[in-house]
Amino acid sequence: DGGITQSPKYLFRKEGQNVTLSCEQNLNHDAMYWYRQDPGQGLRLIYYSQIVNDFQKGDIAEGYSVSREKKESFPLTVTSAQKNPTAFYLCASSIDNDRRETQYFGPGTRLLVL
Amino acid sequence: GQSLEQPSEVTAVEGAIVQINCTYQTSGFYGLSWYQQHDGGAPTFLSYNALDGLEETGRFSSFLSRSDSYGYLLLQELQMKDSASYFCAVRDSGYSTLTFGKGTMLLVSP
Repeated sequence: DGGITQSPKYLFRKEGQNVTLSCEQNLNHDAMYWYRQDPGQGLRLIYYSQIVNDFQKGDIAEGYSVSREKKESFPLTVTSAQKNPTAFYLCASSIDNDRRETQYFGPGTRLLVL
Repeated sequence: GQSLEQPSEVTAVEGAIVQINCTYQTSGFYGLSWYQQHDGGAPTFLSYNALDGLEETGRFSSFLSRSDSYGYLLLQELQMKDSASYFCAVRDSGYSTLTFGKGTMLLVSP
């Protein structure tokens, strides 16, 4: 079955620690996205990538980093510079030429700070 | 910049009809999308409007008025499983990303 997988489902971070969230898709989509969702809030864009080896900052990129070495994978690293990392992180992908801009989301990773 | 406004919460009973409004401000406009998210789950795409008018998909319909920068999602014959958050989203011309509203929590009661 085609889809997007995210791991782990829950992740705990200690103070000063970097953690990496995994996102994999087998939909053959060109574009991938990372969003952060806080309680009662919408989705805010962290980073996105339209093609392998290229990515752009979204609205709240500070304290985060990404890589796009393979079309299928778009991992997100939450660095120690992100002072308030507790949130629900969602990865999404889309066909770049989809006029409806439909994005397909993974199940999410909930990050908690110890 | 872009901004979207939608009500934070809407309540309704099973079998009823409910309308969730969305107004937006963007420097350009490609289309208005709607996504559904159940508590703790992944958002899923519901509908998309690029032109004025009504788009119908089963029990759900979505409307757009570009001149009013306004759209709505209409849910008919409400079921308990429709209890979820609903997000409108827009794409600004020249960009390839979506900007999401803060979401409307729909509570359907028996």
